Amino acid sequence: DAKTTQPNSMESNEEEPVHLPCNHSTISGTDYIHWYRQLPSQGPEYVIHGLTSNVNNRMASLAIAEDRKSSTLILHRATLRDAAVYYCIPFQGAQKLVFGQGTRLTINP
Amino acid sequence: DAGITQSPRHKVTETGTPVTLRCHQTENHRYMYWYRQDPGHGLRLIHYSYGVKDTDKGEVSDGYSVSRSKTEDFLLTLESATSSQTSVYFCAISEGTGRDRGYEQYFGPGTRLTVT
Repeated sequence: DAKTTQPNSMESNEEEPVHLPCNHSTISGTDYIHWYRQLPSQGPEYVIHGLTSNVNNRMASLAIAEDRKSSTLILHRATLRDAAVYYCIPFQGAQKLVFGQGTRLTINP
Repeated sequence: DAGITQSPRHKVTETGTPVTLRCHQTENHRYMYWYRQDPGHGLRLIHYSYGVKDTDKGEVSDGYSVSRSKTEDFLLTLESATSSQTSVYFCAISEGTGRDRGYEQYFGPGTRLTVT
């Protein structure tokens, strides 16, 4: 499994952008980069995934470095509902997602 | 939101009793998974299914069995519950798997199981 490194915690203010970094230097060339989040007392929630190009959806944007060794999840205007643990997961085409410790994001009103 | 339900949502049982957890989906997705989440361990895969009657073990399968007789239902059974199986159990579904699409997984709300 590819190893990922994420900050243990981050803090931001409501209505401001948030940039959540992830290093995945051992990622293989065909692994997708998935992001999930888990709100308190809920199951994990799919956020976004990408391979090489930057990706946007209604929840977030994903910026992938040209060498694919790192990526950044961007929440454009954080709300209180975005407070969660965010997981960056290289997906190796196997049958399981390997969840690390993730980044605990706190949003201040 | 993906149509995934889990039942029961909470259960307390005694050591040595059998327990069955149910995952039901309305998405007609091929793949279904059972994970458990414990403090300090993150989510770990127990078993998964890649079709009706097709299942395989995950990394923490000891003490668990699964069955899938219909596309929409995936059952997790603890044959004889132990205190070490106290955990939160999540079901997930995926349309497929493979490097060409990087299919995402959608998770249910979880079942909190306590074995006393």
